[in-house]
Amino acid sequence: QQQVKQSPQSLIVQKGGISIINCAYENTAFDYFPWYQQFPGKGPALLIAIRPDVSEKKEGRFTISFNKSAKQFSLHIMDSQPGDSATYFCAARGEAAGNKLTFGGGTRVLVKP
Amino acid sequence: NAGVTQTPKFQVLKTGQSMTLQCAQDMNHEYMSWYRQDPGMGLRLIHYSVGAGITDQGEVPNGYNVSRSTTEDFPLRLLSAAPSQTSVYFCASSYAPTGSLAGETQYFGPGTRLLVL
Repeated sequence: QQQVKQSPQSLIVQKGGISIINCAYENTAFDYFPWYQQFPGKGPALLIAIRPDVSEKKEGRFTISFNKSAKQFSLHIMDSQPGDSATYFCAARGEAAGNKLTFGGGTRVLVKP
Repeated sequence: NAGVTQTPKFQVLKTGQSMTLQCAQDMNHEYMSWYRQDPGMGLRLIHYSVGAGITDQGEVPNGYNVSRSTTEDFPLRLLSAAPSQTSVYFCASSYAPTGSLAGETQYFGPGTRLLVL
């Protein structure tokens, strides 16, 4: 039972384009929503995170949009670069104890030059 | 700081063998976790610890044991390896949540790729 559903599974975008990855969750108790970036052969690394009391957060070319009523959040990568080619995971935390994260299935992004 | 380190990087086991995956962190983090990563399934929590001497089960704990005798180390033991445990294993650590977003970041190690034949 996957509590965080992520789409699409893969994405190809041209350099300079916009990459959009969507996630939907079921548990209304989730209180923290991070996005992780993973390069081949490496561990995931935090990219950007948001709490449900904020509708949008922007850090450089990366923006999280959050819709609490729809229980959806998305990652937008503006001006996508070949160096952004990686796998992206959304996640959600249901309880602070243990800082336990529930991850989406991941999206493999390929940015073509 | 070395951050989160994991050994070995790669391991091949035969069904029924046991082994320990090592994880260490030098950031004085209270919380440590083990995840497994399988294609299309993201990362799933196996076990976690909120401090030395305290561990609890995650989403997929069967077939794995953990202990936490020190703040720095959090080994994961496979008792009797099965082909279904073929996966990439990641250890992560973080501070106890403080309310600040930055303080809740989980730092992941480079992973251990395990193949069970």
